Amino acid sequence: DIQMTQSPSSLSASVGDRVTITCRASQGIRNDLGWYQQKPGKAPKRLIYAASSLQSGVPSRFSGSGSGTEFTLTISSLQPEDFATYYCLQHNSYPPMYTFGQGTKLEIK
Amino acid sequence: EVQLVESGGGLVKPGGSLRLSCAASGFTFSSYSMNWVRQAPGKGLEWVSSISSSSSYIYYADSVKGRFTISRDNAKNSLYLQMNSLRAEDTAVYYCARDLEFPFDIWGQGTMVTVSS
Repeated sequence: DIQMTQSPSSLSASVGDRVTITCRASQGIRNDLGWYQQKPGKAPKRLIYAASSLQSGVPSRFSGSGSGTEFTLTISSLQPEDFATYYCLQHNSYPPMYTFGQGTKLEIK
Repeated sequence: EVQLVESGGGLVKPGGSLRLSCAASGFTFSSYSMNWVRQAPGKGLEWVSSISSSSSYIYYADSVKGRFTISRDNAKNSLYLQMNSLRAEDTAVYYCARDLEFPFDIWGQGTMVTVSS
């Protein structure tokens, strides 16, 4: 099974900061990775698909990069509404065994 | 508006059964693969099961294989999850989610399942 290691597990930052979250796959997954945002009590929301494609309607301050085993989600200038938990998801394995990262809780400093 | 609405959650004793439903609207349900994803209280997300648009392909996480059954009724725009032999560790919010070329582009609001005596 493909394991996803997400870091950091938590992060304190201020409005306006640039933030980067990383996911590492235990084996190469090409660009079969997405990023999701979840706010307390709400369903997750997809931000990025195919490692670097921005979901329609998602602000351009969110960006994704990477391929193979290392991936990053970057928020260029944090806004108050961005404080949430972020998850990566790999969907490379067949038969499908989708795997989420452990999550990164982004908190206000 | 594209929408997924889960129902059927509740409190059930260990060893019991429950059937979750997910009603889809605002899109051509029969054209999309669908999934169940769960989240235990205070924990991360865990993929549970997937079903292709015509039900030809079905997949399960090892943690639920042999106990849970995913199905769909395209005429009713509905997705289901039959959960048998429930355990305390199955306690979670269960979400249905759609696949649009890439996984989980749209999610429902979730339904809570609590397994406790």
